[in-house]
Amino acid sequence: NAGVTQTPKFQVLKTGQSMTLQCAQDMNHNSMYWYRQDPGMGLRLIYYSASEGTTDKGEVPNGYNVSRLNKREFSLRLESAAPSQTSVYFCASSVGTPAYEQYFGPGTRLTVT
Amino acid sequence: AQKVTQAQTEISVVEKEDVTLDCVYETRDTTYYLFWYKQPPSGELVFLIRRNSFDEQNEISGRYSWNFQKSTSSFNFTITASQVVDSAVYFCALSELTYGNNRLAFGKGNQVVVIP
Repeated sequence: NAGVTQTPKFQVLKTGQSMTLQCAQDMNHNSMYWYRQDPGMGLRLIYYSASEGTTDKGEVPNGYNVSRLNKREFSLRLESAAPSQTSVYFCASSVGTPAYEQYFGPGTRLTVT
Repeated sequence: AQKVTQAQTEISVVEKEDVTLDCVYETRDTTYYLFWYKQPPSGELVFLIRRNSFDEQNEISGRYSWNFQKSTSSFNFTITASQVVDSAVYFCALSELTYGNNRLAFGKGNQVVVIP
């Protein structure tokens, strides 16, 4: 039982490049989330998917898009990376929202130069 | 306005001392949920506890205990007899049933450093 997995673990991009962060969970959870963590800022929600087939913006959605591919997978895309998107990205999942605890993946450390 | 405030950014303690982390939250909801997460140096966030707004019983799990007081909007976390393995960042978080837009609002975290 792997829980929540994320790929890649590390990535370096040049400004303007695009990339997709992948996330998968094997806990049969309905809800999935993408956060970014910056020093001194805690975790901020980028996008979430309350259930398969739905996605909604979080606190900091600008510059990102998401796809809930199926119940297991939720990807985050940066279309044109900017240095301000240098951060650690976490994917999480939960049984549902908003009452249930979230389980987090190991994170992706992204640097945009 | 910040919904979850963790005022102490970094706390250093000597091993075997107790350490208490303060969490103050703000909500208009009558039904809400509070959480604590641990982020060790490896980076992954680990769920520790969930408490709903109707359950004010304190909870103890091993060396960890939590004190929930609705009257002061606080959900404090105490580590008793701290160990080096407790060195981590600890996050308090709030989820509101009505006004939360399905979001978990995190505090900025408490960095705990346990000195051997």
